[in-house]
Amino acid sequence: LAKTTQPISMDSYEGQEVNITCSHNNIATNDYITWYQQFPSQGPRFIIQGYKTKVTNEVASLFIPADRKSSTLSLPRVSLSDTAVYYCLVGEGTNAGKSTFGDGTTLTVKP
Amino acid sequence: DTGVSQDPRHKITKRGQNVTFRCDPISEHNRLYWYRQTLGQGPEFLTYFQNEAQLEKSRLLSDRFSAERPKGSFSTLEIQRTEQGDSAMYLCASSRQATTNEKLFFGSGTQLSVL
Repeated sequence: LAKTTQPISMDSYEGQEVNITCSHNNIATNDYITWYQQFPSQGPRFIIQGYKTKVTNEVASLFIPADRKSSTLSLPRVSLSDTAVYYCLVGEGTNAGKSTFGDGTTLTVKP
Repeated sequence: DTGVSQDPRHKITKRGQNVTFRCDPISEHNRLYWYRQTLGQGPEFLTYFQNEAQLEKSRLLSDRFSAERPKGSFSTLEIQRTEQGDSAMYLCASSRQATTNEKLFFGSGTQLSVL
């Protein structure tokens, strides 16, 4: 299973764009990259998932370079409610649930 | 889609007691996962089911832990002879088996405190 490395914490201000990068040097051919958000006392919530290049949905964008050894979650115009822990998960697409979560990035959005 | 529900939300028990947690997945999801999460760390995979079959167990799952999913719907996780080190959040997630990319839907977890 691919090991991931993320910054432990990041600070931002309301209205700014936030980019969180995840390193996964030993990603396998069949692996997908998935990002989850977790608030205190809640389970993680799916944000976005991708395999290569760029993926965008209503809440975030995911940028994956050609070598796929890293990925960047981009949150546009964050608000206080985006304060949470963000996990980068890399695992085989058909068995992503067995992937290793790592310790995540704690994002703190300040007013 | 009513989401994944877990019961109870909180459980306090004394060391040596047995505890059981329940997870009700999203109805059309055939995969169900159990995780353990301690403060400041990400969730750790424990075991998973595809329908009623338990397909994999992590080395973290000691002999005191047992999970069942008898009819391929809800699941239970039992911990026998609890120890203080079992104190953690126990998370359940479900998914629809995918041919390429699997998405997990998590419940809110059961917070276990062993005194």
